[in-house]
Amino acid sequence: RKEVEQDPGPFNVPEGATVAFNCTYSNSASQSFFWYRQDCRKEPKLLMSVYSSGNEDGRFTAQLNRASQYISLLIRDSKLSDSATYLCVVRASSGTYKYIFGTGTRLKVLA
Amino acid sequence: NAGVTQTPKFQVLKTGQSMTLQCAQDMNHNSMYWYRQDPGMGLRLIYYSASEGTTDKGEVPNGYNVSRLNKREFSLRLESAAPSQTSVYFCASSEGNLGYTFGSGTRLTVV
Repeated sequence: RKEVEQDPGPFNVPEGATVAFNCTYSNSASQSFFWYRQDCRKEPKLLMSVYSSGNEDGRFTAQLNRASQYISLLIRDSKLSDSATYLCVVRASSGTYKYIFGTGTRLKVLA
Repeated sequence: NAGVTQTPKFQVLKTGQSMTLQCAQDMNHNSMYWYRQDPGMGLRLIYYSASEGTTDKGEVPNGYNVSRLNKREFSLRLESAAPSQTSVYFCASSEGNLGYTFGSGTRLTVV
């Protein structure tokens, strides 16, 4: 089993739709969680950290479920500019500097 | 504020040639990383440096060496390039639990 797993997609949604992605992780000791966005042929960029209580940034909401070992990203009112690959990232434990990346979920927002 | 700067952006090598990828960050981060990204494989850690003066192997270190020249700079060297090293290489830096900042990447082709 991969340490961090994501559905590769693509998720094709119309503008204005709400879409959600999940990401599962295998290490129950994982400490920190992030969502990154990667545009085609560009570097990944931090979208948001994921906190235990859940957090929201504009149209984006991130949730953490430690019991089931997954994190989620919800995008409301999708824009064409949201089309990208979304990477789930997990820091294995507090004693490591290494972050584990999922292979990403591709989102296409259609006009 | 440049963030993380990688050079070169593109490179074509012949099998057996050597080269060094350069990375510098101006955010005073302690930790720096080298990743490679291949289609369907996601980002894989090659080497990392938790702090100035230390380096450690990541998931796929074979065929690579690194040097943490000072706090700002972390270089990746390919001693004898192989076609299997054709990839996009990203340098990143981090501090604490704030996630990574990536450079814009180096697209390397080995023929």
